[in-house]
Amino acid sequence: AQTVTQSQPEMSVQEAETVTLSCTYDTSESNYYLFWYKQPPSRQMILVIRQEAYKQQNATENRFSVNFQKAAKSFSLKISDSQLGDTAMYFCAFMKPLYNFNKFYFGSGTKLNVKP
Amino acid sequence: GAVVSQHPSWVICKSGTSVKIECRSLDFQATTMFWYRQFPKQSLMLMATSNEGSKATYEQGVEKDKFLINHASLTLSTLTVTSAHPEDSSFYICSAHRGLSNQPQHFGDGTRLSIL
Repeated sequence: AQTVTQSQPEMSVQEAETVTLSCTYDTSESNYYLFWYKQPPSRQMILVIRQEAYKQQNATENRFSVNFQKAAKSFSLKISDSQLGDTAMYFCAFMKPLYNFNKFYFGSGTKLNVKP
Repeated sequence: GAVVSQHPSWVICKSGTSVKIECRSLDFQATTMFWYRQFPKQSLMLMATSNEGSKATYEQGVEKDKFLINHASLTLSTLTVTSAHPEDSSFYICSAHRGLSNQPQHFGDGTRLSIL
């Protein structure tokens, strides 16, 4: 079974600064995908960024980037120029593609507080 | 694209009643839909996976007779909480998948269920 670990239950960062959220996972699969989802107080699940395991290049989406270390099974999220709207729970997710659908495994989440 | 509508967003009902939650994919066909439960300040817990036209697959520990799932069409899945009790109060989230293994799940906005 796959496990996803987020070791930081809560973090704080000053507005405009940079913060990194950690995620590690355990799998014997070679083909998989990794995601970071954001859940603001409204509780919508918003996809932040995705990474295909077969790609060596780290994914970036504007202020969000990942550091994907496949051998170490690490997938951290870096948020640059933090904004107040980034305040949310962040979940790391491992996706195992199956025949015609997929299955997600979520970490326990990291609550990020962006302070003015 | 890839919009998932979940209804109702909030429901309060008396103990012993049954509650139905709908999950619709508005602009795509979802071969698979997932139902999650989320307790306060915790991660998403997968309850069941449903494929169109077949019986849902429940995760270990989830009562099939308590949480009835129907996936009658490629755009609609329903979760019925039968004979609800206060301990069933929670936040329920659905997600839908197009059927391509490399695609992420798309989440509804969730339903806050409160049983009095």
